[in-house]
Amino acid sequence: EAAVTQSPRNKVTVTGGNVTLSCRQTNSHNYMYWYRQDTGHGLRLIHYSYGAGNLQIGDVPDGYKATRTTQEDFFLLLELASPSQTSLYFCASSDSRTDNQAPLFGEGTRLSVL
Amino acid sequence: SQLAEENLWALSVHEGESVTVNCSYKTSITALQWYRQKSGEGPAQLILIRSNEREKRNGRLRATLDTSSQSSSLSITATRCEDTAVYFCATVTYQGGRALIFGTGTTVSVSP
Repeated sequence: EAAVTQSPRNKVTVTGGNVTLSCRQTNSHNYMYWYRQDTGHGLRLIHYSYGAGNLQIGDVPDGYKATRTTQEDFFLLLELASPSQTSLYFCASSDSRTDNQAPLFGEGTRLSVL
Repeated sequence: SQLAEENLWALSVHEGESVTVNCSYKTSITALQWYRQKSGEGPAQLILIRSNEREKRNGRLRATLDTSSQSSSLSITATRCEDTAVYFCATVTYQGGRALIFGTGTTVSVSP
């Protein structure tokens, strides 16, 4: 069954802390995305990738790094977390090679930076 | 950059009524997508409407697209309480790859 799995589901860290959010998809999709969701802003694209080793910059990349290590795994790194990065983070995957390119989303990771 | 925008923050209707969410976008598109996000879940795609289509239906859902005014609408008929959710429009823009950009969303509340 197609799935996008995020871990952890909840994370609390302190300002200046180092955080890694993980995302794994078992859909054989080529594209993977990281979004943050905040009230009043909807989903904003942080980084995305169209394959292992590839990284594309989204609309709100400042303070975030990302790495696509394999077709299945996409990581979001916050090396010096700040309170402004407190948010709900979603990972998604999609396949640009299919006609209806419907992405699948994970269940989200809630991050609090104190 | 917000390439797609829903026009209202929130709408409230009673069960059985119809509701329409509107969206405007800023760039030329090949397709526009509508999503629903229920509380505690990730978004799920409802309808994809291509730039050469004017209308697309999926059960009680109907999406329209007007490329001349760069606008789209999603209508839900015979609403149910379980239609309560945030509804987003989204477009694909090519900035190095296929970036899927979402609007800010409209909260639809359906009451008994």
